[in-house]
Amino acid sequence: AQSVTQPDIHITVSEGASLELRCNYSYGATPYLFWYVQSPGQGLQLLLKYFSGDTLVQGIKGFEAEFKRSQSSFNLRKPSVHWSDAAEYFCAVAPNSGGYQKVTFGIGTKLQVIP
Amino acid sequence: DAMVIQNPRYQVTQFGKPVTLSCSQTLNHNVMYWYQQKSSQAPKLLFHYYDKDFNNEADTPDNFQSRRPNTSFCFLDIRSPGLGDAAMYLCATSRGEGRWGDEQFFGPGTRLTVL
Repeated sequence: AQSVTQPDIHITVSEGASLELRCNYSYGATPYLFWYVQSPGQGLQLLLKYFSGDTLVQGIKGFEAEFKRSQSSFNLRKPSVHWSDAAEYFCAVAPNSGGYQKVTFGIGTKLQVIP
Repeated sequence: DAMVIQNPRYQVTQFGKPVTLSCSQTLNHNVMYWYQQKSSQAPKLLFHYYDKDFNNEADTPDNFQSRRPNTSFCFLDIRSPGLGDAAMYLCATSRGEGRWGDEQFFGPGTRLTVL
């Protein structure tokens, strides 16, 4: 079974600083990988996803993520954080296979942005 | 705008009193999901429907039931809520094109309080 680890429960960055949120997955092959964002009191919104091909994936709101097979990682990055980026970020994995297999979410990283 | 709508946004119920949460979608997606999300935890899949086909997760308590009367609507019934069922309940949809790599579109959630 697949699993996702987000080692940082809470991160604080200054507005304008760069951001990297870590995600490691466990799966026997190359999975589907996702990053979702959840603002307070809201549902989850997809930022970006990786299925295959180019390992650097561009998403919405200026985010990008890089798939590194050798490290089983899919870290999320943003070069300059805005106050509106304060939210909770979830990494998720799904098996890259036919049929139905469920998406597994990480525990989330809560991002605080300070002026 | 096409979307996933959840009603109510906040629900208060008494211990043991049945409660129903509602989800509707205008995306015409085949798959609808219900997740339970407790504070500082990952969303936990309870069950999903592919069209009319119901799929229960093995560890979902019998206390939780679901109905999908048509493509647009899906309901979560909690027959006898306990204090441990207090959580955010998220509804999501996806196209269901044969694999779980589909992007899931989430509603804003219903926060359930059990007194």
